[in-house]
Amino acid sequence: NAGVTQTPKFRILKIGQSMTLQCAQDMNHNYMYWYRQDPGMGLKLIYYSVGAGITDKGEVPNGYNVSRSTTEDFPLRLELAAPSQTSVYFCASSLGQRNSYEQYFGPGTRLTVT
Amino acid sequence: QQQVKQSPQSLIVQKGGISIINCAYENTAFDYFPWYQQFPGKGPALLIAIRPDVSEKKEGRFTISFNKSAKQFSLHIMDSQPGDSATYFCAASMTPWETSGSRLTFGEGTQLTVNP
Repeated sequence: NAGVTQTPKFRILKIGQSMTLQCAQDMNHNYMYWYRQDPGMGLKLIYYSVGAGITDKGEVPNGYNVSRSTTEDFPLRLELAAPSQTSVYFCASSLGQRNSYEQYFGPGTRLTVT
Repeated sequence: QQQVKQSPQSLIVQKGGISIINCAYENTAFDYFPWYQQFPGKGPALLIAIRPDVSEKKEGRFTISFNKSAKQFSLHIMDSQPGDSATYFCAASMTPWETSGSRLTFGEGTQLTVNP
């Protein structure tokens, strides 16, 4: 049971480039989330999904897109990368059932945009 | 605006001491308050959580104290150990989970250092 996996671990992008951050979970969780973590700012929710085919914006969605075609995968797409998107990105998942709120986080992707 | 304010930003404690981290929230609809622990280079992991129907929850050396009227909650780490050195995040969420998506609003984080 791998839990939540993220690839790549590190990436350097040039301004204007695009990339997809991959996230997968093998716990059959319904809910999945993307956060970004900046120093001293905590974790900010970018997008989340309550099931395959259903996604919604979080606090800071601008510059990002997501899709959820399967229960297991929740990729995050960055279009036209900007220096402001330099951050550590975490994917998380939760069961999505009553009284089961714990979110399980992946190891993160450190992205630098220069 | 749904905010969770956390303090202090950093905390240094001697081994065996008590570490106390505080959080305050604004949205009275929040009804689930977890604390997450994050080690360098790792994702956060759930440490302990509380619902507002109780004022305190204890798990080993970790205790959450909850004050609903003041809209505050805190994490107490008793007998702090060097292995507790990590960043701690408080968070809040609301039910019903069907509409909230169990979304968490996080505090800014506290970097705890426990000196040997």
